[in-house]
Amino acid sequence: EVQLVDSGGGFIQPGRSLILSCRASGFTFADYTMTWVRQAPGKGLEWVGFIRNKADGGTPEFAAPVKGRFTISRDDSKSVAYLQMNSLKTEDTGMYYCTRDSSGPRGPWGQGTLVTVSS
Amino acid sequence: DIQMTQSPSTLSASVGDTVTITCRASQSINSWLAWYQQRPGKAPNLLIYKASSLESGVPSRFSGSGSGTEFILTISSLQPDDFATYFCQQYKTYWTFGQGTKVEIK
Repeated sequence: EVQLVDSGGGFIQPGRSLILSCRASGFTFADYTMTWVRQAPGKGLEWVGFIRNKADGGTPEFAAPVKGRFTISRDDSKSVAYLQMNSLKTEDTGMYYCTRDSSGPRGPWGQGTLVTVSS
Repeated sequence: DIQMTQSPSTLSASVGDTVTITCRASQSINSWLAWYQQRPGKAPNLLIYKASSLESGVPSRFSGSGSGTEFILTISSLQPDDFATYFCQQYKTYWTFGQGTKVEIK
């Protein structure tokens, strides 16, 4: 069974850093691009960024609101993707989901991990 | 950036009804479009990809159509589990989501 488990969220002050993890099982992790999507409370879905699989270069891409502050990495040996969030702002508050992509979105998504940025 | 616009924002319907949700892209995305269902407090669930391909395990009452800039999600014979929020998503260039359509009980 394909499963993604998101973790690492919490309450954090503006300007601080946080690392989220996405642990995968049930599929060949190294073959997939791994993507992060967030959802502010009561709002819609917003693409955050992704990291390509090694065969496609292993490089990340980011949405404009987080570019320069967030980084994404992956450890294919552990089947884990990471979202490092620096210089956090109150507008980064929301549920963060990881998901996978192979020439298009693939289910399922992780259950999400909540990040609250507040002083 | 490619913008996605869904309509309506809210839709009131009854069990057994057939409902349609429209999604428009700001430029052609060919058939690179997906639809998701999200229930309160849960992660989105992929229903349709490549505009009209049904994800494994999704009931056949869900169907998608369209290409280019205009797309439709149709839910036939609405079931109690179907009252939820639906999002379209383009994946031609990175990902962009529509703002969502809430399907509520009339």
